[in-house]
Amino acid sequence: NAGVTQTPKFQVLKTGQSMTLQCAQDMNHEYMSWYRQDPGMGLRLIHYSVGAGITDQGEVPNGYNVSRSTTEDFPLRLLSAAPSQTSVYFCASSYSMRANEKLFFGSGTQLSVL
Amino acid sequence: QQPVQSPQAVILREGEDAVINCSSSKALYSVHWYRQKHGEAPVFLMILLKGGEQKGHDKISASFNEKKQQSSLYLTASQLSYSGTYFCGTDHSGSARQLTFGSGTQLTVLP
Repeated sequence: NAGVTQTPKFQVLKTGQSMTLQCAQDMNHEYMSWYRQDPGMGLRLIHYSVGAGITDQGEVPNGYNVSRSTTEDFPLRLLSAAPSQTSVYFCASSYSMRANEKLFFGSGTQLSVL
Repeated sequence: QQPVQSPQAVILREGEDAVINCSSSKALYSVHWYRQKHGEAPVFLMILLKGGEQKGHDKISASFNEKKQQSSLYLTASQLSYSGTYFCGTDHSGSARQLTFGSGTQLTVLP
């Protein structure tokens, strides 16, 4: 099992460019989410999905779009990159969103916006 | 509301013990603990549900005090492999769809 796969691992963008961070899981997980990690801030939730066709906003959704057309994939789109979006992005999934379900994290994408 | 973790950083010698605390200003339903090594993804340690249970995982255990709205992670007889940043994630609704993570505790274990 591959688990949660994120691509790319590293990306450099110029301000105003758009791009999509890919996330795929092969565990038939219902719940998927995107977090950003900044120094001293911990992990902050951007968007999440509880199933195909269902998405919702987290704590810091501005500047990002998501969609979930299949159970396996949950891409994160940066519409017009800004330097404030320089961060490490993690995709995470769990079997369900019940309180006792653990999260499986991808290996992360380090994004720099110049 | 981000939970507050303390201490922010701790340095230990191999074999010493450590306690990491996670406090919330809101009533907790569950607390999740994860460990992240530098440059890697966070890895699950344990989940505690309200009810004040204590859990153990090798020499790492945790408690959950519902009244005080806090959880503590106990690392006993620390090993070099315990080094990393520990995060608690709190859930207030009974659904982990919007876990809120603390800013982390950096643990360094020296030989």
